[in-house]
Amino acid sequence: AQSVTQLGSHVSVSEGALVLLRCNYSSSVPPYLFWYVQYPNQGLQLLLKYTSAATLVKGINGFEAEFKKSETSFHLTKPSAHMSDAAEYFCAVSVPGRDDKIIFGKGTRLHILP
Amino acid sequence: GAGVSQSPSNKVTEKGKDVELRCDPISGHTALYWYRQSLGQGLEFLIYFQGNSAPDKSGLPSDRFSAERTGGSVSTLTIQRTQQEDSAVYLCASSLAPVGSSYNEQFFGPGTRLTVL
Repeated sequence: AQSVTQLGSHVSVSEGALVLLRCNYSSSVPPYLFWYVQYPNQGLQLLLKYTSAATLVKGINGFEAEFKKSETSFHLTKPSAHMSDAAEYFCAVSVPGRDDKIIFGKGTRLHILP
Repeated sequence: GAGVSQSPSNKVTEKGKDVELRCDPISGHTALYWYRQSLGQGLEFLIYFQGNSAPDKSGLPSDRFSAERTGGSVSTLTIQRTQQEDSAVYLCASSLAPVGSSYNEQFFGPGTRLTVL
């Protein structure tokens, strides 16, 4: 079975500082990995995805994530936080070639301090 | 083009009543998924459809939950005899390619917020 663990339900960073949201996964087969963002009162939006190509994945809004098989991690980073980045972020995993259902982490709410 | 739409956007009901939640996927998308987002459980997978068929219903929380899809398009999630623990945001997603065929990005709708009093 697949699972995702996000470390920290709330993370606060200052505007302009590095954003680091941590995600570790568990999967018995090579997974697909995703980061989704949810702005207040809005639906889920795909930030970026790893589908077994390049291990460093670049997404929208300046975010990127690196797949590290040895650490079973897929942490999300952004060099410089912006106020508009305040949202909830979900790490997720799916198993390719099966039912494509996405297993989500519990989410991390990112707060940006002025 | 239009994205995934869901209706109603908000639903308040009394405990014990039945509710129907509707999902209109992106035109031409063959696969459709339902998820639930609640405070206690986070985001959890409920059921998926490939065409009109739902091969795996094990994610549905109880037998009060059912879902159908007609014409390979619209899907309805029905909750019978609603309970307070059913209060959540119900999200629908659709994807273009058949389930399991290849990387299959899911596009999410805005959700239906269900409140059971």
